[in-house]
Amino acid sequence: DGGITQSPKYLFRKEGQNVTLSCEQNLNHDAMYWYRQDPGQGLRLIYYSQIVNDFQKGDIAEGYSVSREKKESFPLTVTSAQKNPTAFYLCASSIVFASGAYNEQFFGPGTRLTVL
Amino acid sequence: AQSVAQPEDQVNVAEGNPLTVKCTYSVSGNPYLFWYVQYPNRGLQFLLKYITGDNLVKGSYGFEAEFNKSQTSFHLKKPSALVSDSALYFCAVVPGGSYIPTFGRGTSLIVHP
Repeated sequence: DGGITQSPKYLFRKEGQNVTLSCEQNLNHDAMYWYRQDPGQGLRLIYYSQIVNDFQKGDIAEGYSVSREKKESFPLTVTSAQKNPTAFYLCASSIVFASGAYNEQFFGPGTRLTVL
Repeated sequence: AQSVAQPEDQVNVAEGNPLTVKCTYSVSGNPYLFWYVQYPNRGLQFLLKYITGDNLVKGSYGFEAEFNKSQTSFHLKKPSALVSDSALYFCAVVPGGSYIPTFGRGTSLIVHP
C-alpha cells in the first residue's frame, strides 16, 4: 500500500533536548511538507521541499530544521531553540506537475510531541 | 497573499438533516480549492477539490462543494448528515502556479443522533 508514515506516534522531550520526527512516503511524490497543528489555529507550515537536497522555510520555521537527502524521506528536528514545541506535527506530500498544476496533499497520521 | 476564512468554529446539525460548512477565500488569479477532513488524533484526509470546470464538485462520502467565484466561496455540503461525519473540516486554497496551500482554521462538525 502506498502512503505516508510518521514515527513515533507520541514523543516526549525534556527541556533543552533536540528531537527528530520521522516522515517517509512511498508515493513517489516530489513535494513534502511539515505542519504544526495547535488547537484552534489550523495548520501552520514549518518547512517544505519540492526536490531532493532543497527545502524552504515556511511561516514558523524558527527552532526547527529539516533535511531532504532522499526523495522518500523528510525528517524534522525540533531544536531546543523552539520555545513552545508541544503540538501535533503533520507531514504531507503531493505531486508536482511540470505544468505547475497542483494536486491534493496526502497526510501522515501525525506525531504528538509533548515537552516535559 | 492568499487567505482562507472558515467563519464558524463549530457547526451542529441533527442526523439526517442537510449540512453546510462555510469557506471563503482571497487569492489572486485562479485558485485551486480543497476540503479535507480530520478525525481525532489522525492526519487530514482529502475530500474533494475544485480546479476548473463545473462549479459543483462531488467528493468522498457523499460530500459536495460549490465554487462561487463572485462570492469567493467554496462551501462544503451534504444532503443528509451522519453521526460518523462528526469531525474537523479544513478548507484550503492554492494560487495557480503555486504548490503551497493556505489552510483555514478548521470547523468542528458535530452531528447529533
